[in-house]
Amino acid sequence: AQKITQTQPGMFVQEKEAVTLDCTYDTSDPSYGLFWYKQPSSGEMIFLIYQGSYDQQNATEGRYSLNFQKARKSANLVISASQLGDSAMYFCAMSRADRDDKIIFGKGTRLHILP
Amino acid sequence: EPEVTQTPSHQVTQMGQEVILRCVPISNHLYFYWYRQILGQKVEFLVSFYNNEISEKSEIFDDQFSVERPDGSNFTLKIRSTKLEDSAMYFCASSDTMGRGGNNEQFFGPGTRLTVL
Repeated sequence: AQKITQTQPGMFVQEKEAVTLDCTYDTSDPSYGLFWYKQPSSGEMIFLIYQGSYDQQNATEGRYSLNFQKARKSANLVISASQLGDSAMYFCAMSRADRDDKIIFGKGTRLHILP
Repeated sequence: EPEVTQTPSHQVTQMGQEVILRCVPISNHLYFYWYRQILGQKVEFLVSFYNNEISEKSEIFDDQFSVERPDGSNFTLKIRSTKLEDSAMYFCASSDTMGRGGNNEQFFGPGTRLTVL
């Protein structure tokens, strides 16, 4: 079975600083994908970044990067130069690499960006 | 940019009543999903749907739940007799075979907040 663990229930970060949100995972599948989603107070789920288990390089999308350490089974999200609009709940998630596989979510980390 | 839409945005119902939550996935997508999020908790998988049949369902998806793709565009979740514990945000998602980088990125709708009184 797959499992996602996010150990930081909440974080406070000063605006413009970089922030790392921790995520570890557990799976016995040889091929899988890792995701990060952002959920602002309005409730929608916004896809941020994806990392495939066989990808050689860490994924990057603008200010977001995923620090993928396969041996340690970690997939931390790094947000550079944080902005007030980054305040939200962040969910780490994973799925098998199958086309129709469900996404398993962690419990989330609530990020507060301070002005 | 294409997006998943859901209606209604908020549904209030009495316990025991039937509700139908509607979703319009992205038009060329083939895989459809329902998830739910009880207030303050993580997002949980309910069911996946492909080729007009359920691919997988979770323990939550009991006989009170059903899904349907009645036409080429809509994807619905029906709860036959709602319970208080069904109160949650329900998300529809869809994906295709041509996700970015080959992944199965699922595009989420904005959600329907269901309140059971």
